[in-house]
Amino acid sequence: NAGVMQNPRHLVRRRGQEARLRCSPMKGHSHVYWYRQLPEEGLKFMVYLQKENIIDESGMPKERFSAEFPKEGPSILRIQQVVRGDSAAYFCASSLQGQGTSYEQYFGPGTRLTVT
Amino acid sequence: DAKTTQPPSMDCAEGRAANLPCNHSTISGNEYVYWYRQIHSQGPQYIIHGLKNNETNEMASLIITEDRKSSTLILPHATLRDTAVYYCIVRSNDYKLSFGAGTTVTVRA
Repeated sequence: NAGVMQNPRHLVRRRGQEARLRCSPMKGHSHVYWYRQLPEEGLKFMVYLQKENIIDESGMPKERFSAEFPKEGPSILRIQQVVRGDSAAYFCASSLQGQGTSYEQYFGPGTRLTVT
Repeated sequence: DAKTTQPPSMDCAEGRAANLPCNHSTISGNEYVYWYRQIHSQGPQYIIHGLKNNETNEMASLIITEDRKSSTLILPHATLRDTAVYYCIVRSNDYKLSFGAGTTVTVRA
């Protein structure tokens, strides 16, 4: 049973370029969450998506960041015009169920973004 | 979600039990206690969760006090591969996991 897949595992971008991070949830999971971990800090929630819907993006920076989870294919976290401060580890998690119940989120291995 | 307090670090001898404490004195009735760990450079790994009863699985045991104001994660036979940062998280139906500083556990041979 494959776990949460993320790619690429490492991504290097120059300032001003775009970064696209992909996440394939566990089989059967339709709830996806993105978290960011800055160096020496804990993970911070960014966005919660279900298929074709953004449920909560309260943790997303107001500009340059967007996320989607299309009907077919992986969830994408997109960062436009990257800056050095975007350098971090980005983790995706998925769950079988969403709100209203006790459930576990299973995390992927993360994508380490380095902006030069 | 209720806030948690964990010691910043602890050492444990290989083969011995590791007991990781967590205080959550403001926990409310519908909030669960979750434990995750993060081994260096990897994604967080779910360990166990509970509401008020003690729980055990293949990885660990979770002991929650009767008043639910604190809990202890027990790794019964620590190995070097258990060296990680352990996070105690209290949450209700909110999907947002809030990771604090956690406890850095170092298992020594």
